[in-house]
Formats: sequence, structure tokens, C-alpha cells
Amino acid sequence: QLQLQESGPGLVKPSETLSLTCTVSGGSIVSSIYYWGWIRQPPGKGLEWIGSIYYSGSTYYNPSLKSRVTISGDTSKNQFSLKLSSVTAADTAVYYCARLSITIFGVVIHESWFDSWGQGTLVTVSS
Amino acid sequence: QTVVTQEPSFSVSPGGTVTLTCGVTSGSVSTYYYPSWYQQTPGQAPRTLIYSTNTRSSGVPDRFSGSILGNKAALTITGAQADDESDYYCMLYMGSGIWVFGGGTKLTVL
Repeated sequence: QLQLQESGPGLVKPSETLSLTCTVSGGSIVSSIYYWGWIRQPPGKGLEWIGSIYYSGSTYYNPSLKSRVTISGDTSKNQFSLKLSSVTAADTAVYYCARLSITIFGVVIHESWFDSWGQGTLVTVSS
Repeated sequence: QTVVTQEPSFSVSPGGTVTLTCGVTSGSVSTYYYPSWYQQTPGQAPRTLIYSTNTRSSGVPDRFSGSILGNKAALTITGAQADDESDYYCMLYMGSGIWVFGGGTKLTVL
């Protein structure tokens, strides 16, 4: 059974870089039918897609966060990671990692949905 | 950037039927947006209910169904139960590697 587990500091200072890692077990991140993504949820608010990565290293980012986000993968450890720079209080949220199941023809993504989620980890931005 | 719209809140009586919708500020939602739906209870990670408009995820009861109604994606719950009281989020694929969640609908069963 696939499991995803987020890890990283629960407290980050303003202007610093938030770093989280998602460890995947029960399945490999090296797969042509999945992307791997990060989603966040500020307290009391809705879900926001942050970005996704393919096993090849190809990435897509939310345009509103693109200038501050980097997602990378480590196939040897079956992990992928999120870095969000220059954080402010507005970045305080529960951060989820998730598997994005896709149908892809050539390089064009068609069907896509998040089919497995980590439990989430709260990151608070505060001095 | 396109905004994905959902009703902020909805209520349904136990045993009743409710349809939640998912629209876009510019244009109509079609199957090519590959709408998916997620259920979330407080303190829990989202649970995938529906993908590709109308395909139920594994283990999801058949009282949950997805469709396109008019110019929106729709999630219908038939025979609502108390434990269906949750937040429901739709997600649309905008193309070019961009996914957008709706703001969510808080469903009350009373």
C-alpha cells in the first residue's frame, strides 16, 4: 500500500526558506504514470496546488508561487522535496504531498488527479 | 489566472440529495478539464472521491457521482448520511501543467 510522509521543520522564520521532504513507501516515484505534488492549506482555508514533479525531473509550478518554489526529486531515496523561499506569515499552512495519477500522450497530460495523500504537516512562519 | 468557483456552503437533510458544482470564471467546465473531487473532514488529509468527471475512486460508495451539468462540473450525493458532513473540493486541470482547486464547499447534513 502506497504511503507518503511529509517531514521537515514545523517553524520557519520570516524571509527564510521552507524545506520539506516527502518520503514515498510502497511504490516507486520512478513511474511514467505519476507525477508527485505538493499542496498546501492555510488554517481555515482551502487547498492550493503548489507544484508537481515527474520522475524525469520535469516540474510544473503554480504561477502565483513560481518565483519562490523549487521541487526536486531523489530517486535513490524515493523522495521528493519542496523549497519555498522568502516566506511570510501568509505561507503558514498544512503542507501535503500527494501522488498525481496521469494519462499522458507524448508530452501532453490528459487525465490527472491526486489519488494518494500524505497526512500533512503544519508549517508555521513566525519569528 | 482562472478562478475555480464552488458554493461556499450547502446543507442537506439526512437521506436527501445534494448537488455541488464547480465552475470557472471564464468559460465553461468540460470533460477536458478532467474534474476531480475531494472530501476533507477537519484535521484530516483530503480523500479522493471522483476523477475524470465521473469515475469513482476505489472504495467510494456509489451514492457519490460526478457529472457535467450545464457549464459546470457537479458532484451529487444521493441519500446523504451524517458522515458526509465535510468540506468538498473540486480540482480542474487547466492544461500546460497547471492544476487549480476550487475554494471548497462546506456541506452540512441536518
